[in-house]
Amino acid sequence: KAGVTQTPRYLIKTRGQQVTLSCSPISGHRSVSWYQQTPGQGLQFLFEYFSETQRNKGNFPGRFSGRQFSNSRSEMNVSTLELGDSALYLCASSDPGTGAYEQYFGPGTRLTVT
Amino acid sequence: QKEVEQNSGPLSVPEGAIASLNCTYSDRGSQSFFWYRQYSGKSPELIMSIYSNGDKEDGRFTAQLNKASQYVSLLIRDSQPSDSATYLCAVNPGYSTLTFGKGTMLLVSP
Repeated sequence: KAGVTQTPRYLIKTRGQQVTLSCSPISGHRSVSWYQQTPGQGLQFLFEYFSETQRNKGNFPGRFSGRQFSNSRSEMNVSTLELGDSALYLCASSDPGTGAYEQYFGPGTRLTVT
Repeated sequence: QKEVEQNSGPLSVPEGAIASLNCTYSDRGSQSFFWYRQYSGKSPELIMSIYSNGDKEDGRFTAQLNKASQYVSLLIRDSQPSDSATYLCAVNPGYSTLTFGKGTMLLVSP
């Protein structure tokens, strides 16, 4: 099976702009989670979607939002970018039907805000 | 606040030695436990999962879980320079998310 894919891989934006990141999960995986990774904070959970519904949300401001489509592909959006939003954004997919919650990560999108 | 704690390292071991990585977690309701390996500039890769107390072996890797002590460990036998990476401990607190530690950097010297 193909792995998790994320686009774009690299992105440079200016403060105040908005950005949309895309994630395609492993075929058959219906759960998609998003994480932000920074050197200081490590991996922090943003939100998780299953069957087009947000099931869980981390402690991030409302500028961070996401959605999931009927084919399980997911997007996350960050509005009014701040310098502190510079990070590696990781998407992970899992198959909740197994009950195992094993998550498989995509390659990530490296966002730089200037 | 649910937390996962790891020693940041670096943990330095010579090639061929056993590397021991440790992790503690705060939520007693945690159900599933995972170890991920992350090379510099890459995304995390799942290497081990463990769900019940005791040991689980997979090749050179052994995961150990002690729920009473809220402790998870990863042993890497016959460490190789290619094992040099950051190892992330992740815990499933009972719903569909993972809480990650900040990782332990492992350096294996030839």
